[in-house]
Amino acid sequence: KNQVEQSPQSLIILEGKNCTLQCNYTVSPFSNLRWYKQDTGRGPVSLTIMTFSENTKSNGRYTATLDADTKQSSLHITASQLSDSASYICVVGAPQGFKTIFGAGTRLFVKA
Amino acid sequence: DAEITQSPRHKITETGRQVTLACHQTWNHNNMFWYRQDLGHGLRLIHYSYGVQDTNKGEVSDGYSVSRSNTEDLPLTLESAASSQTSVYFCASSDHRQGMNTEAFFGQGTRLTVV
Repeated sequence: KNQVEQSPQSLIILEGKNCTLQCNYTVSPFSNLRWYKQDTGRGPVSLTIMTFSENTKSNGRYTATLDADTKQSSLHITASQLSDSASYICVVGAPQGFKTIFGAGTRLFVKA
Repeated sequence: DAEITQSPRHKITETGRQVTLACHQTWNHNNMFWYRQDLGHGLRLIHYSYGVQDTNKGEVSDGYSVSRSNTEDLPLTLESAASSQTSVYFCASSDHRQGMNTEAFFGQGTRLTVV
């Protein structure tokens, strides 16, 4: 069964600290992996998109990595800000037909 | 600026009633999607459309229907609302099939409560 699992479920960090969120998937075959940020009460917004041939992709203080061999991805947030408090969702796309599998998300709380 | 909007933002309805949630996008995207988001679950696909007059069932389509009469709109209808359909609903659009490497843009969501 195609699955996307994220860890941890939630995380609390102090402002200015770095953190890393994990995503493991069993989707196969695989065409792309995306990370979205979802603020409370809003729709998800895309942070990064990576194909199976890409190892890393950055968007400002957000850096996503991908290991297609081990089917793992991570999202690293540098020098966290209060505005980083949100849910971060890992999404895996498959090439055939229409298949996009969403992880349940990691809820990040950044405290002053 | 192009955008995707959902209405209403909040809706309370009674069990058994028919409810329609609106989704309108000005991106001129071919593809539109409806998802539901429940606590502890990832977004789950309800229905999707690759273009005018095209509709397809997603993984949780029972009790829902959609129609695509133009590029801009994909309304979602709950035929006979049930308490299990209490959820937050998101509409999204994209330029190509989501199996390809393009970004999907999401609406703000509609919180539906069935009592």
